[in-house]
Amino acid sequence: DGGITQSPKYLFRKEGQNVTLSCEQNLNHDAMYWYRQDPGQGLRLIYYSQIVNDFQKGDIAEGYSVSREKKESFPLTVTSAQKNPTAFYLCASLKQYTGELFFGEGSRLTVL
Amino acid sequence: GQNIDQPTEMTATEGAIVQINCTYQTSGFNGLFWYQQHAGEAPTFLSYNVLDGLEEKGRFSSFLSRSKGYSYLLLKELQMKDSASYLCAALVFSGGYNKLIFGAGTRLAVHP
Repeated sequence: DGGITQSPKYLFRKEGQNVTLSCEQNLNHDAMYWYRQDPGQGLRLIYYSQIVNDFQKGDIAEGYSVSREKKESFPLTVTSAQKNPTAFYLCASLKQYTGELFFGEGSRLTVL
Repeated sequence: GQNIDQPTEMTATEGAIVQINCTYQTSGFNGLFWYQQHAGEAPTFLSYNVLDGLEEKGRFSSFLSRSKGYSYLLLKELQMKDSASYLCAALVFSGGYNKLIFGAGTRLAVHP
């Protein structure tokens, strides 16, 4: 079955450490997105990518970095520059022509 | 700027009908989505409106008025499992890219 796989599901990090969240999709979608969700709040866009080797900053890109070397993969690195990284991170891909977003199960990052 | 507003919380009784409103101010508007999100899980797609009018899908219906920047999600015959957050999201096309911008979500509590 096609879908989006995020890993790890839960991650603990010490302050000052970088961490990379994996996102893989086999839906053959061109566009991929990373969102951050804080408790009781909506989704805020971190980065998005329309095609391979291209990506754009979203509303809250500071302290994050991404790469898009393959169509299937869009990893997100949370750097030590991100001041408040504890959150629920969601990766998604966009189905062309319908605009529907397909989400992974999410990665919950906790900074100790 | 891009802005989406929806009520923070709503309560309703099992078996009743509830309407969740959403207003938006966006540029490059390409459609309006509704997603359901249970606590700790990824959002799941409910509906998509690109033209004015009502879209019905089982117990859920969604309405859009592009001229008024207004949408609503109507849930009929409420069940306890409908207790969740409901996210309104606008698909916008900007700078050659499509992206979904989310409201903060409406937490719906269904009680017996």
